[in-house]
Amino acid sequence: AQSVTQPDIHITVSEGASLELRCNYSYGATPYLFWYVQSPGQGLQLLLKYFSGDTMVQGIKGFEAEFKRSQSSFNLRKPSVHWSDAAEYFCAVGPNAGNMLTFGGGTRLMVKP
Amino acid sequence: ETGVTQSPTHLIKTRGQQVTLRCSSQSGHNTVSWYQQALGQGPQFIFQYYREEENGRGNFPPRFSGLQFPNYSSELNVNALELDDSALYLCASSFRQSGQETQYFGPGTRLLVL
Repeated sequence: AQSVTQPDIHITVSEGASLELRCNYSYGATPYLFWYVQSPGQGLQLLLKYFSGDTMVQGIKGFEAEFKRSQSSFNLRKPSVHWSDAAEYFCAVGPNAGNMLTFGGGTRLMVKP
Repeated sequence: ETGVTQSPTHLIKTRGQQVTLRCSSQSGHNTVSWYQQALGQGPQFIFQYYREEENGRGNFPPRFSGLQFPNYSSELNVNALELDDSALYLCASSFRQSGQETQYFGPGTRLLVL
């Protein structure tokens, strides 16, 4: 069975600091991996996705993620966090592009001024 | 703005009642998925419809059912509501073509069961 673990429930960073959100997955085949962001009262917005090829993927809002097959990880990074990045972030894995996704429990990001 | 809308935004029901939630997808999107997101948790896949037929289901009982219509709208029906059904229900649509389509989520319907 597929699963996604986001080890950090809450993370607080200072504005302008770098950010890394961790994601570990368990999947029997080649995974399709995603990061979504959810602001309070909002639906999910896709930040980036990995299907194949280059293991470093670039997304919107300055986010990037690195796929490491040997570690079953797909960590999300941002070099400099902005106050508007405060939200809940979800990592997800699926059998194909964007369907029947399995989500992690989420990481809530707070940004200090 | 994803082009996916859901109604109503909020809903209160009592245990044992039935509820219908609605989703309007982007024009041309032939695939719709529904997810349940309990408070403080990640979304859980309920089921998916492709060209008006269910073609995938998560670990949810049969009292969760759905419909997809030719006009790119869909419904999630839940019978015999239980307190644990209280959650944010998200629909997501996509156009299945190459296997690399992007799924677009709506803002969700928040259901409270008392």
